[in-house]
Amino acid sequence: GDSVTQMEGPVTLSEEAFLTINCTYTATGYPSLFWYVQYPGEGLQLLLKATKADDKGSNKGFEATYRKETTSFHLEKGSVQVSDSAVYFCALSATSGGSYIPTFGRGTSLIVHP
Amino acid sequence: DAGITQSPRHKVTETGTPVTLRCHQTENHRYMYWYRQDPGHGLRLIHYSYGVKDTDKGEVSDGYSVSRSKTEDFLLTLESATSSQTSVYFCAISEPGGENEKLFFGSGTQLSVL
Repeated sequence: GDSVTQMEGPVTLSEEAFLTINCTYTATGYPSLFWYVQYPGEGLQLLLKATKADDKGSNKGFEATYRKETTSFHLEKGSVQVSDSAVYFCALSATSGGSYIPTFGRGTSLIVHP
Repeated sequence: DAGITQSPRHKVTETGTPVTLRCHQTENHRYMYWYRQDPGHGLRLIHYSYGVKDTDKGEVSDGYSVSRSKTEDFLLTLESATSSQTSVYFCAISEPGGENEKLFFGSGTQLSVL
């Protein structure tokens, strides 16, 4: 079945450091790929998405490129802030037996120190 | 923000008692999902629905049942709660396909089974 693997955390960085969170996937067909962010005590919210190969999703300084050849969708940000501290989830969406079932990675906790 | 609410936000119950969690949406989205979130496991799908009275099992459905009698409501029932069902439960909605495809999440229900 479909699966998403993302790097384990926590990832601890100083403010203004460069961020990469790795995400790889296995899926049949051509899934859409997503990054969701969860701030403490809240539900997940969409950060960015890409729907086809070579698409780049971007939002709030975060970027990720849909790489079909390496089945990857790594999240990057050039300069993190304390307010970026959260848990980040990589996800894919695909159709299975006619139903739409999103699949999530286990999440990566990011801690940014001043 | 998408109109999705979960109730209750917090619940403490005893082993063996029935518990029902409610998810209500005002977006008229076709798909609704129940996930549980546990440390080290990320988000795991319990059940989902793709229309009124159309539901199916996710990867961790044992001990849970669901019902969807109206488009806007999706109920999750623990028939006889166990301590292993202590978790944070999230409802999500989606209207798959197209450029606007994404999941909207509720704020979660913290359930403690003593």
